[in-house]
Formats: sequence, C-alpha cells, structure tokens
Amino acid sequence: NAGVMQNPRHLVRRRGQEARLRCSPMKGHSHVYWYRQLPEEGLKFMVYLQKENIIDESGMPKERFSAEFPKEGPSILRIQQVVRGDSAAYFCASSLTGVSSNQPQHFGDGTRLSIL
Amino acid sequence: QKEVEQDPGPLSVPEGAIVSLNCTYSNSAFQYFMWYRQYSRKGPELLMYTYSSGNKEDGRFTAQVDKSSKYISLFIRDSQPSDSATYLCAMNPFGNEKLTFGTGTRLTIIP
Repeated sequence: NAGVMQNPRHLVRRRGQEARLRCSPMKGHSHVYWYRQLPEEGLKFMVYLQKENIIDESGMPKERFSAEFPKEGPSILRIQQVVRGDSAAYFCASSLTGVSSNQPQHFGDGTRLSIL
Repeated sequence: QKEVEQDPGPLSVPEGAIVSLNCTYSNSAFQYFMWYRQYSRKGPELLMYTYSSGNKEDGRFTAQVDKSSKYISLFIRDSQPSDSATYLCAMNPFGNEKLTFGTGTRLTIIP
C-alpha cells in the first residue's frame, strides 16, 4: 500500500522560472494538504483541497502560488516567477475523510525546492 | 507568541532511558493532537493521534493531553538509537483541517 508520493524529490529553479510540485495521495484518500517547511521552522499550512475544490487556502501567499487537485491525476502546487525566499521543503499530506472525522493526515517525503 | 510552543532541544539521552517530549499551546479550540516523527530528509511520520484530553498508549509510546493546562506530552520508553529524530507536535480544532505544528524537538539516543 503505497504512501503519499511526491515528485520530484529535489527541484532546482532559477529566479523567475516556474516550479511545479506533484502529489499523489494515498489510495482512496480524497483530502490533500500542502505544507511548507523553512529551515529551523515548523511546518506551515498552505492549502487544503478535495477533488476539484479548494477548501481552505488561508496559508497560501496571495501572489504567484496556486494549487489544484483535478478529478484525475495528482495534486499540483505551482509557484510562478520563483524568488530566493521560495526555497524550502514542500510537503503534501492526505487523509481519508479529514481530521475531524478521526482520520489523520499522512505525509509524503516532500519536494526540496532550491532557487538559484 | 506562537500558538504552539515546543522546546527545540537538542535533547540527548542514553539508550534505554525514558524520554519526555512536550508542547504547550494557547488556542483552547484545539481538539485533535498528534505527534509526528521526522527523520532527516524525510517526511513526518504519524506516531500518535488523540482526541481531547486523556492518555493513549501504543507500544513504547504514550501520548498525554491535558486540555486544562493546554499541555501535551509524548513519552518514549526503552528508547532506542533508531528513535533519534525530530519530533513534531501538531494540533487542530474540530471542523478545521489546518494543522498547527510546533517547531520540533531534535532527539538523539546515545548507544
């Protein structure tokens, strides 16, 4: 039973380029979450999605960042016109029916984004 | 003030010792409490998941939640070198899926 799969594991981009991070949730999970982890800091919530819907994007920067979870395929976190401050580890988590239904979030191993 | 406070350590203990890890929080709405273990360059791995106050035991791990004091703990018995990792507490209110994490405690078990 595969866990949450994220790719790529490492991504290097130059300033101004676009970064696309992919997340395939655990089998049967329809809730997806994205978090960002900066060095020496805890994980910070970015966005919560269900299939074809953004449920909570209160942690997403207002510009350059977007997320989607289409009916078919993985969830995508997109960062346009990347800047040095976007360098971080980005983690995806999935849940069967949501934490408030006693179903915890399970995490992937993250994508480490480096901006040159 | 952060919503969730966690001593970053580092914490070093000899193999076989009992380890106590703690978090305090300020938001009384938090209802679900989790402990994750994170090895270097890996994702957080769920260890314990509890709802509201009380204790929960799973093998060598015991989680305690004291909502009156806004204080949660994770105890590791018979600690092993393989327990060396960063331990993250996380919590969220009912009806809100957004997890709020502590900054993590780096633990080293010395053989």
